[in-house]
Amino acid sequence: AQTVTQSQPEMSVQEAETVTLSCTYDTSESDYYLFWYKQPPSRQMILVIRQEAYKQQNATENRFSVNFQKAAKSFSLKISDSQLGDAAMYFCAPNFGNEKLTFGTGTRLTIIP
Amino acid sequence: DTGVSQNPRHKITKRGQNVTFRCDPISEHNRLYWYRQTLGQGPEFLTYFQNEAQLEKSRLLSDRFSAERPKGSFSTLEIQRTEQGDSAMYLCASSLELAWGPEQYFGPGTRLTVT
Repeated sequence: AQTVTQSQPEMSVQEAETVTLSCTYDTSESDYYLFWYKQPPSRQMILVIRQEAYKQQNATENRFSVNFQKAAKSFSLKISDSQLGDAAMYFCAPNFGNEKLTFGTGTRLTIIP
Repeated sequence: DTGVSQNPRHKITKRGQNVTFRCDPISEHNRLYWYRQTLGQGPEFLTYFQNEAQLEKSRLLSDRFSAERPKGSFSTLEIQRTEQGDSAMYLCASSLELAWGPEQYFGPGTRLTVT
């Protein structure tokens, strides 16, 4: 079975600081895609960043970057210079090659002013 | 690009009634997905379409659920004889089939409350 685990139900960070959200998964596939989505309160799901499993280089999008360790099946999200607008639920959501996303249970991120 | 839209945004219904939700994907996207999200959980896959063909259905999609995508444009999700356990947010997403793995873009969801 393909599973996704986000072991941090809640995280908090001071504004302007850096925070890392963890995600581990289990799959027997070798070629797949990994995504982080953000869901602000009462707002829709927004794609934050994507990573192709065949790429060794970690993806970066402005203040957001990932640490992808394929052998360890780990895909963490680092948010630098945290801003108040970053407050949201963050979901790790791999696509294991079967077209659907498999979501973790999410991490609620609070930004402390 | 107007994004993925869903209607209605909220639906309250009594147990046993039928409800229908609509999703309009991003216009050039040929794939459309339905997910269900209960409180405090991540979304769970229900079904997906490529153009008008329904290619996969989750075991979560009981016989009371049916989805259609006529002409490969908008999609509807119908729940017959609703139960209290059907209360959830129903999310629609769309993507454009590409060789390198499509990103899915989500709509705002339809929140269903069954009383």
